[in-house]
Amino acid sequence: EAGVTQFPSHSVIEKGQTVTLRCDPISGHDNLYWYRRVMGKEIKFLLHFVKESKQDESGMPNNRFLAERTGGTYSTLKVQPAELEDSGVYFCASTRDASYNEQFFGPGTRLTVL
Amino acid sequence: GQQVMQIPQYQHVQEGEDFTTYCNSSTTLSNIQWYKQRPGGHPVFLIQLVKSGEVKKQKRLTFQFGEAKKNSSLHITATQTTDVGTYFCAGRETGANNLFFGTGTRLTVIP
Repeated sequence: EAGVTQFPSHSVIEKGQTVTLRCDPISGHDNLYWYRRVMGKEIKFLLHFVKESKQDESGMPNNRFLAERTGGTYSTLKVQPAELEDSGVYFCASTRDASYNEQFFGPGTRLTVL
Repeated sequence: GQQVMQIPQYQHVQEGEDFTTYCNSSTTLSNIQWYKQRPGGHPVFLIQLVKSGEVKKQKRLTFQFGEAKKNSSLHITATQTTDVGTYFCAGRETGANNLFFGTGTRLTVIP
């Protein structure tokens, strides 16, 4: 079974530019989560999809972040326009069942905003 | 909002020494999970604790969930170089689906 994949692995952009991150969850996993880890800090929850619906987006920092999961398969997270404080590692995770199951994490996308 | 504090932030041990990381939540948790992230890698699930006072063991790793379900610990006996990485606890509030991660403890094992 293929794991969670994320693209790109690294992205370096300038402040004000737009970046789109992609996550492909494990096949059959309806639940998809986005997290962000800023250097040395906790892994912070951003939002949770159940299939194509946003179940919880309470962790999204502001309206510069837009997450989509059209068709309930892969998800994208767009940052527009990017700011310096958006730098960090963005992780995606998926689970088949949202309740009490381990989350399978992708390798992450390291975003650097200059 | 909920906060999960984890200490220490860093720990250097000599190979063969024991290691413990502690996790404290500001609210009562329905369950707590532990993850390990190797350098350059991504978090990998280790275990989930659900019951008050629960203790689980995986070889040299012992996980505990406090009686009040607000704290947890991970203890590694006789560390090995393969134990190197950052250990995260992640708590879930009752009725919630998302996890609140601790800040992590980065373990370095000196051969």
